[in-house]
Amino acid sequence: AQSVTQPDIHITVSEGASLELRCNYSYGATPYLFWYVQSPGQGLQLLLKYFSGDTLVQGIKGFEAEFKRSQSSFNLRKPSVHWSDAAEYFCAVVPTGANNLFFGTGTRLTVIP
Amino acid sequence: GAGVSQSPRYKVAKRGQDVALRCDPISGHVSLFWYQQALGQGPEFLTYFQNEAQLDKSGLPSDRFFAERPEGSVSTLKIQRTQQEDSAVYLCASSGGTGVFSPLHFGNGTRLTVT
Repeated sequence: AQSVTQPDIHITVSEGASLELRCNYSYGATPYLFWYVQSPGQGLQLLLKYFSGDTLVQGIKGFEAEFKRSQSSFNLRKPSVHWSDAAEYFCAVVPTGANNLFFGTGTRLTVIP
Repeated sequence: GAGVSQSPRYKVAKRGQDVALRCDPISGHVSLFWYQQALGQGPEFLTYFQNEAQLDKSGLPSDRFFAERPEGSVSTLKIQRTQQEDSAVYLCASSGGTGVFSPLHFGNGTRLTVT
């Protein structure tokens, strides 16, 4: 079945530590790939997206993601986490031929001092 | 306005009541989407408008759900005879283009609780 999977429901990191959030997809053709962040009481905000080309994508707030076709993955990374990064992170895809987003179940990030 | 505005922010309905949720997209935005986000889940697609035309309603869970955008701007999502399983946050998003390359701008959502 077609799906987007975020294996980690909740991750806790110390402020200043590095972060990697995992995302795997299962589609016949490589979909368009996105990462969104949802802070409490806020709307979803786009962090970055991948359509084609360079497989390392830079986004806002110091985030980056790497597309790996062989692993059907699009993991989100940040070298040094800030307390303000605490939020829910969603990986999303737009399958080939579709025109709407399909979201994973999200990873909740807690940042400890 | 500066962003996508949704109202009300919170709605409590008794089971069986009808509710109407409003979305004011960014002015001039052609595309408008509705998503449903259950507790602890990612948003799930409900329906998509391009101007006033509802091009995709494949995500509406039942015929109790109805959406409209009569003048290609404000949209209303109506749920008839609400059930407890309808409890969720309903998100609206708009974009200036018609394809996936246009960034989506999300509102803060309406949290619906059915008691």
